[in-house]
Amino acid sequence: DTAVSQTPKYLVTQMGNDKSIKCEQNLGHDTMYWYKQDSKKFLKIMFSYNNKELIINETVPNRFSPKSPDKAHLNLHINSLELGDSAVYFCASSQVQGSTEAFFGQGTRLTVV
Amino acid sequence: AQSVTQPDIHITVSEGASLELRCNYSYGATPYLFWYVQSPGQGLQLLLKYFSGDTLVQGIKGFEAEFKRSQSSFNLRKPSVHWSDAAEYFCAVGALTGRRALTFGSGTRLQVQP
Repeated sequence: DTAVSQTPKYLVTQMGNDKSIKCEQNLGHDTMYWYKQDSKKFLKIMFSYNNKELIINETVPNRFSPKSPDKAHLNLHINSLELGDSAVYFCASSQVQGSTEAFFGQGTRLTVV
Repeated sequence: AQSVTQPDIHITVSEGASLELRCNYSYGATPYLFWYVQSPGQGLQLLLKYFSGDTLVQGIKGFEAEFKRSQSSFNLRKPSVHWSDAAEYFCAVGALTGRRALTFGSGTRLQVQP
């Protein structure tokens, strides 16, 4: 059983399109995150939700909108995709924000052409 | 604000040799420290973590790390590297207060020579 699963694993799309990445965790965790890994492998937090409530919203363009229908799901919707959005996006979950380890999904490699 | 520095971008070791990956952190209180490993095309897997107590922590795959408060360091070690250890290694710091998401270092890429 996969603990944190995200779909799709690969996403190739044209500039200007709107796309979504889905994430689900079956660990019973209260907190979920989206991280972005750029081409230099640098990982940076984008959003954090705790029990469906937005806790962290880093300096991310408002074209990015997270949605948490319940505490087991955190989806990422991206409008008007740009070339610079190409990256690997990781979903993660943890039991208590920041203090326990985060469990990561396999990542979604987004390529905008 | 917390930060993590991994001074070595790329390290090459021979199979069977010992390994030490460096990590320095900046945080005002007692940090929660982690090492993650990322194999090519994969997600991040937790190797080990430090919250409190014994400053030498053991992890999976034969890895260990030592927390040194005086040096603000949390270096990762392995006595004998295997070819399958080739991957990207990330040090991270988390906290209970303030900015609570993990802050990652820039990673160290480990290459293992036969």
